Amino acid sequence: QVQLQESGPGLVKPSGTLSLTCAVSGGSISSSNWWSWVRQPPGRGLEWIGEIYHSGSTNYNPSLKSRVTISVDKSKNQLSLKLSSVTAADTAVYYCARDYDSRGYYYGYWGQGTLVTVSS
Amino acid sequence: EIVMTQSPATLSVSPGERATLSCRASQSVVSNLAWYQQKPGQAPRLLIYGASTRATGIPARFSGSGSGTEFTLTISSLQSEDFAVYYCQQYNNWPYTFGQGTKLEIK
Repeated sequence: QVQLQESGPGLVKPSGTLSLTCAVSGGSISSSNWWSWVRQPPGRGLEWIGEIYHSGSTNYNPSLKSRVTISVDKSKNQLSLKLSSVTAADTAVYYCARDYDSRGYYYGYWGQGTLVTVSS
Repeated sequence: EIVMTQSPATLSVSPGERATLSCRASQSVVSNLAWYQQKPGQAPRLLIYGASTRATGIPARFSGSGSGTEFTLTISSLQSEDFAVYYCQQYNNWPYTFGQGTKLEIK
């Protein structure tokens, strides 16, 4: 059973860079799956940030594309998210997720989420 | 970007009754539509994909229907554990987008 675990600072200063990692267990980051980041501002809905394949191929939400970098570290079996120039609007619970069955971009595996607050 | 609109925002239903949740896409997503359930403090849980296929372990009381721009999630006989927020998601076009959610509450 694939398990995902996000980690990273819970507080980031405005204009700084948000950096999170997602450790994968029970499966390989090099499997034929897409790995994604999704966020949820407090009390609000879900926003897709972007995705990566183990080859390094990425797709990003155009609304965030200029500030987002998603990468994989095969040696550590993990993926990472970097979001630059953050503002209070980037305060959210950040989830990493994996597609359910390699046939579509719907997410059957999620981390528990980590809250990141942007504040001075 | 495809906009997903869910209705109603809140639905009050009694246990044992049927609940019908709607999701509309701003343009056709064919059958590339998923439904998720989210409880407070938890990650979303995949219920339905391909508009009508239940994910592993999802009870048969959950069913999905629709194609193109109009989709429905039906819960045939509500159990106490079904009261939660439900989201639809289209994965036909980048960026993948979610609806704003329907909160299913106990009447």
